[in-house]
Amino acid sequence: GAGVSQSPSNKVTEKGKDVELRCDPISGHTALYWYRQRLGQGLEFLIYFQGNSAPDKSGLPSDRFSAERTGESVSTLTIQRTQQEDSAVYLCASSLGGPGGGGYTFGSGTRLTVV
Amino acid sequence: SQQGEEDPQALSIQEGENATMNCSYKTSINNLQWYRQNSGRGLVHLILIRSNEREKHSGRLRVTLDTSKKSSSLLITASRAADTASYFCATDAHRSRDKIIFGKGTRLHILP
Repeated sequence: GAGVSQSPSNKVTEKGKDVELRCDPISGHTALYWYRQRLGQGLEFLIYFQGNSAPDKSGLPSDRFSAERTGESVSTLTIQRTQQEDSAVYLCASSLGGPGGGGYTFGSGTRLTVV
Repeated sequence: SQQGEEDPQALSIQEGENATMNCSYKTSINNLQWYRQNSGRGLVHLILIRSNEREKHSGRLRVTLDTSKKSSSLLITASRAADTASYFCATDAHRSRDKIIFGKGTRLHILP
């Protein structure tokens, strides 16, 4: 597609349930990123994929969070045993990557509400 | 850890005036980017300035970069109601060129 697509756009889940968020990056973009944004806050880096390299998971807040990416395509972010503090907008972005890589293209995000 | 920090946190100006937002960062960078976010959803890339550049223009946007002071400014001239949004600076870490860290943003409100 022409842009970064995220699904679902909104998700309400009960505390303790697992959720899976999906991101379809721009075709040809080797780099893919997940960020979390709590209400009124900045973006918090979660994880970064670049080609076939090992992902940079340094931003994942706990072992309840995990992400996968198949080659240079779709990525899924999984949150297990959700907690109320996981409520946020989860943003995915992709870029061409590489040295001096340009700006990121963001998806519209998934708004996760844990009740 | 947070790399960039915007100042002010919030700014309200009259339509037609110029808006200036500042960003300070901590470590050496390869480039600095500015993004706009409307309604708390996806961010839109505005402009990228490389560490060897001092000033860059794009339409009504002017970005400066002072690497000696580790700071950047975003100027929006002749502001419009549609410029109401949050603006974020983002910097890469010199040793990790593809991973960028965002500041907390400046909330800009253009008054009619």
